[in-house]
Amino acid sequence: EDQVTQSPEALRLQEGESSSLNCSYTVSGLRGLFWYRQDPGKGPEFLFTLYSAGEEKEKERLKATLTKKESFLHITAPKPEDSATYLCAPGRNTDKLIFGTGTRLQVFP
Amino acid sequence: EPEVTQTPSHQVTQMGQEVILRCVPISNHLYFYWYRQILGQKVEFLVSFYNNEISEKSEIFDDQFSVERPDGSNFTLKIRSTKLEDSAMYFCASSRGGRETQYFGPGTRLLVL
Repeated sequence: EDQVTQSPEALRLQEGESSSLNCSYTVSGLRGLFWYRQDPGKGPEFLFTLYSAGEEKEKERLKATLTKKESFLHITAPKPEDSATYLCAPGRNTDKLIFGTGTRLQVFP
Repeated sequence: EPEVTQTPSHQVTQMGQEVILRCVPISNHLYFYWYRQILGQKVEFLVSFYNNEISEKSEIFDDQFSVERPDGSNFTLKIRSTKLEDSAMYFCASSRGGRETQYFGPGTRLLVL
């Protein structure tokens, strides 16, 4: 059975305090792993797609990495506007994305 | 930048009533999806749609649900007889190709009383 686990569930950081979010997955026929950001009451906003182990993608203060069993989202020197829930979603070799429960990040000034 | 739009943003209905949720996918996208998110829970896949056919559906997507692309721009989700447990945020998404990045709309918050 497909499983996606994100940790920690919640993370509080001081502005400028770097950290990493983890996504562990067991998904058969993985075609890619997607990271999204979700603000309260809004739809998921696309951040990154990673297709193969060893791949890395960067965007501003965020960097996503992928291994065969995990993906990490590294946040460097976060700002309050980075506060959101970060969702990991492996995609099987079918249409659907399988979402984790997310990591709720709060960055305080 | 093109984006997925959804209407209405909020819908309140009585149990047993039919509701139709509407979506306008990104214009050059060919694959369309519906997901839902019950309050405090994870985003769950409902259905994918391509070439005027359902290509995949989850066990949640039972006979009470249907999807349609009535014209060249809209994509709809119909719930025939709503239940209390249908209360959730419903997200439409679209992608240019199958298994490519899916872009999500802002959602419709459905409340069934």
